[in-house]
Amino acid sequence: DGGITQSPKYLFRKEGQNVTLSCEQNLNHDAMYWYRQDPGQGLRLIYYSQIVNDFQKGDIAEGYSVSREKKESFPLTVTSAQKNPTAFYLCASSVNRVGQPQHFGDGTRLSIL
Amino acid sequence: GQQLNQSPQSMFIQEGEDVSMNCTSSSIFNTWLWYKQDPGEGPVLLIALYKAGELTSNGRLTAQFGITRKDSFLNISASIPSDVGIYFCAGPYSGAGSYQLTFGKGTKLSVIP
Repeated sequence: DGGITQSPKYLFRKEGQNVTLSCEQNLNHDAMYWYRQDPGQGLRLIYYSQIVNDFQKGDIAEGYSVSREKKESFPLTVTSAQKNPTAFYLCASSVNRVGQPQHFGDGTRLSIL
Repeated sequence: GQQLNQSPQSMFIQEGEDVSMNCTSSSIFNTWLWYKQDPGEGPVLLIALYKAGELTSNGRLTAQFGITRKDSFLNISASIPSDVGIYFCAGPYSGAGSYQLTFGKGTKLSVIP
């Protein structure tokens, strides 16, 4: 079945450590997105990519980095510069047309040790 | 920038009751999307609306694209315990050449058996 796979489901980070969250899709979508979700705050866009080898900062990109070397993959690195990384992270993908629905993975919950 | 206001923020209802929630925008939308997020999971698309005045059903769910194009409504009839979750509205972000979506902050639904 086509879909978006995020891994791991749960992740723990030590102080000063970088961690990478995986996102893979087999929907043949050109666009991919990373969101951060905190209780009561909805979805906030971290980074997005509309095509391979290109990505743009979203509303809260500081302390995060991404790469888009393959169409299917859009990993997110939470760096040590992100001082409050505890949150639920969601990856999504869509076709490249205005107003098209985004399809989401099941999320990764990141916590600080 | 664009803002989507969802109301109510949360609601507690008795099993079997009908539910209504709405979403308003500060600008005109050409598309309205409604998602549901179960606890610990990613959002799942429920209904997509593409035309002002459009009324679309998906089982017990009915959504309407407001004729002003600045609002949308979601109704759930005869609620059941598995309706529990957060319901998000979304619409196209207004940035030029962007395929992003703008999301509301969600309506959290609790169903009392």
